[in-house]
Amino acid sequence: EVQLVESGGGLIQPGGSLRLSCAASGFIVSSNFMSWVRQAPGKGLECVSVIHSGGSTYYADSVKGRFTISRDSSKNALYLQMNSLRAEDTAVYYCGLYNSGYYVDHWGQGTLVTVSS
Amino acid sequence: DIVMTQSPDSLAVSLGERATINCKSSQTVLYSSNNKNYLAWYQQKPGQPPQLLIYWASTRESGVPDRFSGSGSGTDFTLTISSLQAEDVAVYYCQQYYTTLGTFGPGTRVDIK
Repeated sequence: EVQLVESGGGLIQPGGSLRLSCAASGFIVSSNFMSWVRQAPGKGLECVSVIHSGGSTYYADSVKGRFTISRDSSKNALYLQMNSLRAEDTAVYYCGLYNSGYYVDHWGQGTLVTVSS
Repeated sequence: DIVMTQSPDSLAVSLGERATINCKSSQTVLYSSNNKNYLAWYQQKPGQPPQLLIYWASTRESGVPDRFSGSGSGTDFTLTISSLQAEDVAVYYCQQYYTTLGTFGPGTRVDIK
C-alpha cells in the first residue's frame, strides 16, 4: 500500500529556512515522478516543484531560486529545502506521487508551514 | 503557462439532483500524438488532501462512485455529479497535466441546498 507522510513544517520567521520531508512506503521514490503541492489557507492548489524519475527538477516561478527538491534513495524519501521564506509561502505542503508520470494519484496528509514574525 | 478557470465558483444542489462544474483551459490540453486530454479532476474535503476522481478527462479512478463523470476535450471540460449525495460536499478542482507543473483551476465549492 502506498503511503506518504510529510513532516518538517512549523512556524518560521521571514527570511528563514526549513526542510520538509516526505517519507514514502509501498513504492520506490527514485523510480517515480513526485511533486510538492501547496495550499495557502483558504486558497487553491499550487504545484511548486516536481522531480522526475531521471532526476530532472522543475520549479514554479514563485519559488525558483529559493526552493530545492531532492530525494534520498537510502531513506526512500522526498525533500523540499525552502530558503528565504516569505509570508506568502505560508501554506499546507503536500507531497504527491504521480501515476506513470502524468497525474498525482496519491497524496500525503500535508504539513503546515507558517512564515511570520 | 496554461491558465485554468472554473465555473461557477460555488453551487448548492438538492440531494439527489445533478451538479455540473465547468473547467476551461487557456490553451488545448489535448495531445495530438495520443489523442488524450491531459486533464484531471480532484475532490477536496475540509482538512483533507485532494482525492483523484477523474483522469484523462473522462476515466474514473478506481473506487470512485459512478455518479461522478467527466467529459470534454481540447479546452472545455465538465465534471458531473449525477445524483448529489451528502458526502459529495467538497471543493472540486480541475488540473491540467499537459505541462510539467500542472496548473489547477481555482476550485468550485459544492454544497447541499
